[in-house]
Amino acid sequence: DIQMTQSPSSLSASVGDRVTITCRASQSISRYLNWYLQKPGKAPKLLIYTISTLQSGVPSRFSGGGSGTDFTLTISSLQPEDFGTYYCQQSQSNPWTFGQGTKVEFK
Amino acid sequence: ELQLVESGGDLIQPGGSLRLSCAASGFFFSDYWMGWVRQAPGKGLEWVANIKKDGSTRYYLDSVKGRFTVSRDNDKNFVYLQMNSLRAEDTAVYYCARHGNYNFESWGQGTLVTVSS
Repeated sequence: DIQMTQSPSSLSASVGDRVTITCRASQSISRYLNWYLQKPGKAPKLLIYTISTLQSGVPSRFSGGGSGTDFTLTISSLQPEDFGTYYCQQSQSNPWTFGQGTKVEFK
Repeated sequence: ELQLVESGGDLIQPGGSLRLSCAASGFFFSDYWMGWVRQAPGKGLEWVANIKKDGSTRYYLDSVKGRFTVSRDNDKNFVYLQMNSLRAEDTAVYYCARHGNYNFESWGQGTLVTVSS
């Protein structure tokens, strides 16, 4: 199985900060890397797919990058509605696997 | 409007069985792969199973193979997860999800399964 490792596991930031979350795969996953945001008590929501394509309706302050095994999610200017837990997920091969999550809290 | 509504979650004893249902609406159901993803209390997300548009192909997480069965009814716009021989470690919120382009594009609100004596 492909293991996905996110860092950091949690972070505290202020409104307006630039935030970057990293996701590393245990082997190359080509372009099959997605990002989700989950708010407490809610279902996850797809933010970015195939490394850098924004899902419809997702603000442009979100961006994704990387290749091979190393990927990033960047929020250019953190907004109050961006709190929650972010997950990366690979769909290169079954079983599709998720990172352990990065919890974003506000200072 | 696209909607996925799960039901069937319950408190069940170890070794018991449960069938989860997911009612889909607002899109052409038979055009999409569907999947189930679970989340144990306080833990991360774990893909469980998925099923092809016509139901001809199914994939499972190793730990549920032989115990869980995913199926769909394209006439009624439902996807199901039959769970047998349930274990404490199957305790989780189970989400139904519509596949997009190699992703989980849309999610239901989830249904809680608790396996405990």
